[in-house]
Amino acid sequence: DQQVKQNSPSLSVQEGRISILNCDYTNSMFDYFLWYKKYPAEGPTFLISISSIKDKNEDGRFTVFLNKSAKHLSLHIVPSQPGDSAVYFCAASANDYKLSFGAGTTVTVRA
Amino acid sequence: DAEITQSPRHKITETGRQVTLACHQTWNHNNMFWYRQDLGHGLRLIHYSYGVHDTNKGEVSDGYSVSRSNTEDLPLTLESAASSQTSVYFCASTGTLQETQYFGPGTRLLVL
Repeated sequence: DQQVKQNSPSLSVQEGRISILNCDYTNSMFDYFLWYKKYPAEGPTFLISISSIKDKNEDGRFTVFLNKSAKHLSLHIVPSQPGDSAVYFCAASANDYKLSFGAGTTVTVRA
Repeated sequence: DAEITQSPRHKITETGRQVTLACHQTWNHNNMFWYRQDLGHGLRLIHYSYGVHDTNKGEVSDGYSVSRSNTEDLPLTLESAASSQTSVYFCASTGTLQETQYFGPGTRLLVL
């Protein structure tokens, strides 16, 4: 039973516009959430994270929002750039160093 | 620079053969993990270790084993390879008090 779900397998966005990726989770023990970015033939690379004590975290063009009551988080990329084309994975941890991953969302940024 | 490496990067093997995938990290991280990536499933945890001589089963551990004899290495062994184990395998590590995992480049395994 997948505890972290990314219901949109793909997202296409025009360069310069906002990309919004969504993630839902079911395990109420999760208290730390991460986004990873993955290019083909490479390992996932850490992008941004958020603790359950916060509802927003920003790092440059990337912002993650957490809604604990809805068990939902989202990643906003503004503005989207061609180099952002990749697969994005949402992950969650219950303070035990293990990560549960979503199935991923493939983002394509159109010129 | 500290890093995490995996070898081989690509492997073709036959059903029933034993295969070992290597993972080596130079961060001196206590925690190491093995995942497999399959379309539609994201990354699923196979085995993990919190330190030397510690190993634990993840959600998809059947047919796999690991051993941890030192801090730097966590080899993953497929005891008798099956076609269902064709996948991309990623190793990751993280230090104490840190939830962010750092991933290796992956090993693409094809079982014929």
